[in-house]
Amino acid sequence: DGGITQSPKYLFRKEGQNVTLSCEQNLNHDAMYWYRQDPGQGLRLIYYSQIVNDFQKGDIAEGYSVSREKKESFPLTVTSAQKNPTAFYLCASSNDLTFSYEQYFGPGTRLTVT
Amino acid sequence: KNQVEQSPQSLIILEGKNCTLQCNYTVSPFSNLRWYKQDTGRGPVSLTIMTFSENTKSNGRYTATLDADTKQSSLHITASQLSDSASYICVVSAVGFSGGYNKLIFGAGTRLAVHP
Repeated sequence: DGGITQSPKYLFRKEGQNVTLSCEQNLNHDAMYWYRQDPGQGLRLIYYSQIVNDFQKGDIAEGYSVSREKKESFPLTVTSAQKNPTAFYLCASSNDLTFSYEQYFGPGTRLTVT
Repeated sequence: KNQVEQSPQSLIILEGKNCTLQCNYTVSPFSNLRWYKQDTGRGPVSLTIMTFSENTKSNGRYTATLDADTKQSSLHITASQLSDSASYICVVSAVGFSGGYNKLIFGAGTRLAVHP
């Protein structure tokens, strides 16, 4: 999975609880991304970060938060404000800051909220 | 509206046979087109990236074609193997959004099952 690790692989939470998904990369990439994947739909961008201590909202940022305190790490918090949090979450990284070239994906975390 | 549509949604073929997956897009202005392979429960892995000037690109048994005039791409898999069973995702990069960044538009994927 290209030097990107995500943990845990499966996560179960009760409705109303916040949960944090981990993403670490050892590729020395500047840019990192979080996507959400739902059945029958294309990946949708949640947040992205081009540099440490800076991040931008993607297309579906509501109910999510991120931090980028280290170049290697980009954790995603799914808050209780996210109305439909059950999904497959994918973290990616690239050396390209403009979305022009290849992104390397982690193995994903499947979150189930009941 | 920028869209990427893939067909068929799913496909079943016998091991050793060839198949072709289709991708039509309405993304503009176009930067590049990528094909990814995603095994069930795993992250996508890049197969090819093609820019406007490239008509075809191969990666082993995978060959992608691009017709920028008709905004169509195809992914041809030759001599399929059981390990080709996966979803194949077409992604188009559009140029020139805010801040100078491109935007990636993902197709929903074609789910391929290769049977012995």
